[in-house]
Amino acid sequence: RKEVEQDPGPFNVPEGATVAFNCTYSNSASQSFFWYRQDCRKEPKLLMSVYSSGNEDGRFTAQLNRASQYISLLIRDSKLSDSATYLCVVVETGTASKLTFGTGTRLQVTL
Amino acid sequence: NAGVMQNPRHLVRRRGQEARLRCSPMKGHSHVYWYRQLPEEGLKFMVYLQKENIIDESGMPKERFSAEFPKEGPSILRIQQVVRGDSAAYFCASSPSRKLNEKLFFGSGTQLSVL
Repeated sequence: RKEVEQDPGPFNVPEGATVAFNCTYSNSASQSFFWYRQDCRKEPKLLMSVYSSGNEDGRFTAQLNRASQYISLLIRDSKLSDSATYLCVVVETGTASKLTFGTGTRLQVTL
Repeated sequence: NAGVMQNPRHLVRRRGQEARLRCSPMKGHSHVYWYRQLPEEGLKFMVYLQKENIIDESGMPKERFSAEFPKEGPSILRIQQVVRGDSAAYFCASSPSRKLNEKLFFGSGTQLSVL
């Protein structure tokens, strides 16, 4: 089983749609969680951190469910510029030196 | 304040040659991380360095790969006797401290192509 698993997609949605991605992680001792965005093989950029209480940044909402070991990202009112690959990232307890990346979920927003 | 700088952006090598990838962290950052992204795969951790020290190299292949971060100058990822399977995007990231709940800044990457 992969440490971090994501549906690769692609998710093709029209502008204005709401889309949600899930990610599961295998190590229950994982301590920190993030969503990164990667455009066409460019460098990944931090989108937002993920907390158990849930957090929101504009059109983006992230949620962590520790009991089920999954993380979600919700994008409302999708824009063309949201087209990218979204990477789920986990840091395990005791390994503060490295991020473990999922393979990413590809989102394509269309007119 | 310049970001994480990696060079070259693209590097072409023939099998058996050496590849040297350079990474200059953001100003004030003394922690450097190298990641590799194979085609159609996620980023994989390779090595974590602090000035003059290798802190965690658990992701480095056992042979042909080495990394350093000298007191002066950029961090270097060195791949000896490259093979086609080394073709990938190599990303460097830096942070001001070891706490990873702080933002990790990535460079634009070096795309290595082995012919």
